[in-house]
Amino acid sequence: DADVTQTPRNRITKTGKRIMLECSQTKGHDRMYWYRQDPGLGLRLIYYSFDVKDINKGEISDGYSVSRQAQAKFSLSLESAIPNQTALYFCATSVLAGGLGSSYNEQFFGPGTRLTVL
Amino acid sequence: QKEVEQNSGPLSVPEGAIASLNCTYSDRGSQSFFWYRQYSGKSPELIMFIYSNGDKEDGRFTAQLNKASQYVSLLIRDSQPSDSATYLCAVNYFGNEKLTFGTGTRLTIIP
Repeated sequence: DADVTQTPRNRITKTGKRIMLECSQTKGHDRMYWYRQDPGLGLRLIYYSFDVKDINKGEISDGYSVSRQAQAKFSLSLESAIPNQTALYFCATSVLAGGLGSSYNEQFFGPGTRLTVL
Repeated sequence: QKEVEQNSGPLSVPEGAIASLNCTYSDRGSQSFFWYRQYSGKSPELIMFIYSNGDKEDGRFTAQLNKASQYVSLLIRDSQPSDSATYLCAVNYFGNEKLTFGTGTRLTIIP
């Protein structure tokens, strides 16, 4: 099955460490996204990419960076992790679905990475 | 700031009853609306989308959109324990690939 995978699934690290979260997809989608989810705050967009040469900041990009190594791979880095970056991180891909006049942006989410920064 | 508001719940509904979930949005430019279901510890999955005023039905699920009042709702008929999850409302504009999510409503179906 075409899928979105994330590694690692769980990570515990210490303040100040550099962390990379990886996302791979076999769906063939051009558009990829990184979100974080915190209790009571919902899903918030960190970065997104519409193709290999396109990187855009989301609403909460400070403290994060990304790399789009290939159409299928989109990595999120925390250069110097801090405790308030403890969260559940999701990668997503999207494709425009539907027909003329009724297209919509369906996003498919990976299984998530639970990151704890001590 | 474009916002999407949902009651966080928890919303408790007896098995077999209709569960009604509501979502309001602040930006009249919002044009397509999505309902995602998220089981505890799992990733969100799309269950419904709607872009025209009125109702859209898919099995036990009905999405309702009222652009004049800026709200979108999700009705779940014949609620089952397996419907217990958090339901996320999301909105975007045509041509804008980003989604803005609400904080979600936690639904519990009581057997």
